[in-house]
Amino acid sequence: NAGVTQTPKFQVLKTGQSMTLQCAQDMNHNSMYWYRQDPGMGLRLIYYSASEGTTDKGEVPNGYNVSRLNKREFSLRLESAAPSQTSVYFCASSEYYGEQYFGPGTRLTVT
Amino acid sequence: GENVEQHPSTLSVQEGDSAVIKCTYSDSASNYFPWYKQELGKRPQLIIDIRSNVGEKKDQRIAVTLNKTAKHFSLHITETQPEDSAVYFCAASRVGSQGNLIFGKGTKLSVKP
Repeated sequence: NAGVTQTPKFQVLKTGQSMTLQCAQDMNHNSMYWYRQDPGMGLRLIYYSASEGTTDKGEVPNGYNVSRLNKREFSLRLESAAPSQTSVYFCASSEYYGEQYFGPGTRLTVT
Repeated sequence: GENVEQHPSTLSVQEGDSAVIKCTYSDSASNYFPWYKQELGKRPQLIIDIRSNVGEKKDQRIAVTLNKTAKHFSLHITETQPEDSAVYFCAASRVGSQGNLIFGKGTKLSVKP
């Protein structure tokens, strides 16, 4: 089992460009999450999906959109990237109130 | 709003000593408290967790204690080793959010040989 996978691993964007971060899990989990991690700020929840077909905002949703394509896949889209979105992005999955399994992360730089 | 505070932000110990990291949470209805370890450049990984119906849990050199009255929980690492060096995050479940977690800002632990 691959667990949680993310693509790409690294990305550099110019201000105003758009991109989609992809995430997939093979553990048959219902819940999936997108976090961003900035130095000294811990992990902050951007969006989550409690089950296939549902998505909800987390702590810092502005500037992002998500799609729960099916039970396995949960994508994060930046429509118009800004330098403030430079961060490391982690996808995670879990069952309700259980261990969250994280992907390897995407390091995004917006210039 | 809901919040998890974590202290200290950095901790340096000698190999073999114990390390303690403390967290407080704001929502008394939180009932799940995991701890994650993140090595440099890697993903966070769960090392231990505790639920609100338990006061203490131990796994080899790692233990977590929970005081629901005071709304705080702690991670204890005994006989520290250089490979324990990492950033540790505590988290608390967000009430009514179907499994969402609020994370503390992390503690960078350095174990000196």
